[in-house]
Amino acid sequence: EPEVTQTPSHQVTQMGQEVILHCVPISNHLYFYWYRQILGQKVEFLVSFYNNEISEKSEIFDDQFSVERPDGSNFTLKIRSTKLEDSAMYFCAISAGTSGRYDEQFFGPGTRLTVL
Amino acid sequence: GDSVTQMEGPVTLSEEAFLTINCTYTATGYPSLFWYVQYPGEGLQLLLKATKADDKGSNKGFEATYRKETTSFHLEKGSVQVSDSAVYFCALSDRVNTGKLIFGQGTTLQVKP
Repeated sequence: EPEVTQTPSHQVTQMGQEVILHCVPISNHLYFYWYRQILGQKVEFLVSFYNNEISEKSEIFDDQFSVERPDGSNFTLKIRSTKLEDSAMYFCAISAGTSGRYDEQFFGPGTRLTVL
Repeated sequence: GDSVTQMEGPVTLSEEAFLTINCTYTATGYPSLFWYVQYPGEGLQLLLKATKADDKGSNKGFEATYRKETTSFHLEKGSVQVSDSAVYFCALSDRVNTGKLIFGQGTTLQVKP
């Protein structure tokens, strides 16, 4: 199973501050995703990223959010001005590696974001 | 839009009991179906999958069959262990756009010795 690392494991920030969450897949994959899970709730899709651009985003992914892959490996999610309701676990996922199957996604361990 | 509905939890079973977690879906196309498991304090792990009608996914003693006629993908295990205690998520991938996953609300399973 492909390995995905995420940093930091836990981020505490003040409301209104910017945060950047990092994802590093340990193999070559084509699709990258961010999901979030508010405590006790379902996992929700935020955005998918392919060929260095956003391919799909949900209504949650508003102008406060952005993603990029600055160096060809690291995949980041930026929240420009955090709100209390952004507190959640954020998961990075990857798909379409050597298997070519883009519907088999592998998840990182997540970053817990706490906004105070 | 596409959606996934899971049975309410938590589900509490004794070790070696039979497990069923119900999952039904709504989709306009022909999705792939998945079960993911989340152990306490960890991320999501793919447990099993099925990509077309009547396919059976299986892994670690868990099974689920893709039933197009009932739009269901129920998870079963014949004999659960304490180590199976976790949250189980049913999900679908529409395969049309980017294969994003749409998750059910999750079902917490607690297995007591």
